[in-house]
Amino acid sequence: AQKVTQAQTEISVVEKEDVTLDCVYETRDTTYYLFWYKQPPSGELVFLIRRNSFDEQNEISGRYSWNFQKSTSSFNFTITASQVVDSAVYFCALDLTQGGSEKLVFGKGTKLTVNP
Amino acid sequence: NAGVTQTPKFQVLKTGQSMTLQCAQDMNHEYMSWYRQDPGMGLRLIHYSVGAGITDQGEVPNGYNVSRSTTEDFPLRLLSAAPSQTSVYFCASSYWDSRDNEKLFFGSGTQLSVL
Repeated sequence: AQKVTQAQTEISVVEKEDVTLDCVYETRDTTYYLFWYKQPPSGELVFLIRRNSFDEQNEISGRYSWNFQKSTSSFNFTITASQVVDSAVYFCALDLTQGGSEKLVFGKGTKLTVNP
Repeated sequence: NAGVTQTPKFQVLKTGQSMTLQCAQDMNHEYMSWYRQDPGMGLRLIHYSVGAGITDQGEVPNGYNVSRSTTEDFPLRLLSAAPSQTSVYFCASSYWDSRDNEKLFFGSGTQLSVL
């Protein structure tokens, strides 16, 4: 069975702190895709990143970085020097279709609050 | 470029009523999908479509119908609304960029309450 676990339901930090959001996935497939999405208080879902299972290189995009480790089935997301605008619910997701993302399995989300 | 447009943003229904949630995208994306978001449940796929004329069921399809007569539109129909369908609904479409990275675009959501 495919499953995504985001064990942290809520995290609260003070601005400028670094914060890591955990994501652990389960699948027996060797080919799969992992995603992170952001949902700010406005409610819209914003795509952040997509990784395939053959690419374990960590990725950095500005203050965002992602650590993909197949050995531990984890795809963690770190925000460096957090800002109030980072406050949102963040979803990790798994896709097995080897094509479109029409069959994403989402985690339950982690609510991040960044306080000034 | 409007992206993915969902209407309405809010809707209140009585049990047993029917309605259609509209979703349109102007990006010529082949893939479209519908999700519902419930507290503590994350996002769950209802139905999806890989192109005009093709639809398939997702994780929680019961109580919902979809059709895809055009590339642009992917409406979600509730035939007989139930309180269990109270949720926030998101429509999405996706495409692949020049680096073969898929980009998923979500609409702004529809908050539905069934009394």
